[in-house]
Amino acid sequence: EAGVAQSPRYKIIEKRQSVAFWCNPISGHATLYWYQQILGQGPKLLIQFQNNGVVDDSQLPKDRFSAERLKGVDSTLKIQPAKLEDSAVYLCASSRRDRRYNEQFFGPGTRLTVL
Amino acid sequence: GIQVEQSPPDLILQEGANSTLRCNFSDSVNNLQWFHQNPWGQLINLFYIPSGTKQNGRLSATTVATERYSLLYISSSQTTDSGVYFCAVSQAGTALIFGKGTTLSVSS
Repeated sequence: EAGVAQSPRYKIIEKRQSVAFWCNPISGHATLYWYQQILGQGPKLLIQFQNNGVVDDSQLPKDRFSAERLKGVDSTLKIQPAKLEDSAVYLCASSRRDRRYNEQFFGPGTRLTVL
Repeated sequence: GIQVEQSPPDLILQEGANSTLRCNFSDSVNNLQWFHQNPWGQLINLFYIPSGTKQNGRLSATTVATERYSLLYISSSQTTDSGVYFCAVSQAGTALIFGKGTTLSVSS
């Protein structure tokens, strides 16, 4: 079974530029998460999808971040315009739609550097 | 929200030593996971353990849900065990809340 796929693995941009990250979850996983991990900290949720609907986006900086999950499978996270403090690793995770068993599996992440 | 505290924050071991990592959480949870983050940043699933005890090779974990803590045991540590170990919890259907991690360094 293939794991969670993410691309690109690395991205360097100038501040005020835009950037997009892509995630393909494990086949059959209805729930998809985007987390942001700043150096030296644990990952923190940005947005959670159930199929193609948003479950929780309370921590997403909506003035600059947006995310979508077309057809309930792949997802794209966009930052526009980027700020220096957005430098972080962006992790995508997925889990089955099961409130009693929802082990989450993570992709390799995208390391973003904003100069 | 739920608070997750991990201890110790840093751990330095010689190869072959044993260690215990602790995770305390502030409310009842439906999901508790232990991860190892390798030097390339990949989060590797170690255990899904909302309660009880599990073992996988040199690693084992115990969660006492009623007392809101979990322990990760690493026996006969190897240099490849180095990295950051995260404990993360969630309630039904919600995203994981991570602790700050324990950074383990194993030297030969």
